[in-house]
Amino acid sequence: DAKTTQPPSMDCAEGRAANLPCNHSTISGNEYVYWYRQIHSQGPQYIIHGLKNNETNEMASLIITEDRKSSTLILPHATLRDTAVYYCIVRGPNNDMRFGAGTRLTVKP
Amino acid sequence: GAVVSQHPSWVICKSGTSVKIECRSLDFQATTMFWYRQFPKQSLMLMATSNEGSKATYEQGVEKDKFLINHASLTLSTLTVTSAHPEDSSFYICSSRGSAYEQYFGPGTRLTVT
Repeated sequence: DAKTTQPPSMDCAEGRAANLPCNHSTISGNEYVYWYRQIHSQGPQYIIHGLKNNETNEMASLIITEDRKSSTLILPHATLRDTAVYYCIVRGPNNDMRFGAGTRLTVKP
Repeated sequence: GAVVSQHPSWVICKSGTSVKIECRSLDFQATTMFWYRQFPKQSLMLMATSNEGSKATYEQGVEKDKFLINHASLTLSTLTVTSAHPEDSSFYICSSRGSAYEQYFGPGTRLTVT
């Protein structure tokens, strides 16, 4: 299964864009990249997913490099409620989601 | 997004007893469900994959006789922690796969074994 690498922590000012990077250099051609976040003591919340093209929804944008070896999750206008642990996951061949350590994003006023 | 529920949300049990945790997909049929556990300040660890009507597939190091999984219908999977011990205290989370691309997580069940 492809593995992902994320920085352990990041800070972001409230109202600014939060850009969370993820490396997945061993990703296979048909594997999707998913992003989830987890707020303390809750289940993970789906944010967005993509294969090759950039994606955008009401929560975030996902930018995937042309070689697909890395991606960036963008929260365009971070709020205090976006403080959470963000997980970048490459979905496995059996559709299983294996979580890495994630990035702890702290949005500061 | 789709809703996945878990019951109970928290449970305290005595060492040696068994605890059953339910995971339901409320508005879609889930052919596959996944069970995770999460220890404090750690990430989620996949325990097993559960397919409706068949035996669960357990990850390496997870005791199948201790963590009994039943996926009897397309909307319900259960995890039973048998003969629970304090080291089994953890946050247990299930997820359900709906369509080819969607996978949603439940709110989790916090188990404390005294």
